[in-house]
Amino acid sequence: QSVLTQPPSVSAAPGQKVTISCSGSSSNIGNNYVSWYQQLPETAPKLLIFENNKRPSGIPDRFSGSKSGTSATLGITGLQTGDEADYYCGTWDSSLSAGVFGGGTKLTVL
Amino acid sequence: QVQLVESGGGLVKPGGSLRLSCAASGFTFSDHYMSWIRQAPGKGLEWVSYISGDGSAIYYADSVKGRFTISRDNAKNSLCLQMNSLRVEDTAVYYCARGKGQLAYDYWGQGTLVTASS
Repeated sequence: QSVLTQPPSVSAAPGQKVTISCSGSSSNIGNNYVSWYQQLPETAPKLLIFENNKRPSGIPDRFSGSKSGTSATLGITGLQTGDEADYYCGTWDSSLSAGVFGGGTKLTVL
Repeated sequence: QVQLVESGGGLVKPGGSLRLSCAASGFTFSDHYMSWIRQAPGKGLEWVSYISGDGSAIYYADSVKGRFTISRDNAKNSLCLQMNSLRVEDTAVYYCARGKGQLAYDYWGQGTLVTASS
């Protein structure tokens, strides 16, 4: 059971927008920055968003992040078939003194 | 360019030990905190351990505390994970990852597979 809760799967049509939620508590999301990762099959994860809403260089602005209270959201607009992947949120948990990840969300682009 | 290359994975019997290494290049190693993150077959990501740039701060997941030891050699641009008393549930691909900002990871190695099985 992951400390951060994500929906197991989401789906949307090409060109549409999708959001992926990540729910936590005051000891993690509520008081720490959130990052988001994309993992394509058989590859290492790739950083999409750090410090809640910042994109590393090279990440298109179709990807966005936000945080409110103890929840965070990843948004992806203009969906492409190449966006089909697993997405993970991550943060620090101050009570555990450890990093934590969500269980992951599988995105299907129909 | 930034490169992280893990090595040292393999098949080990439960109760055995293994030492993973991560060779870093293309950046100032001592400027970045580093972590080990693992992924069991067909499962999600699990954070394992963290070490600060100068090695003075170290943290572990409860699942590995007391059994795993993270270390770094900034002169050799190297990160290590000593894994003792391995359990079946430690079976996973182990990634080393470079830290960015507050607990985000912007570069990951290709991973090394550790299999604990009799």
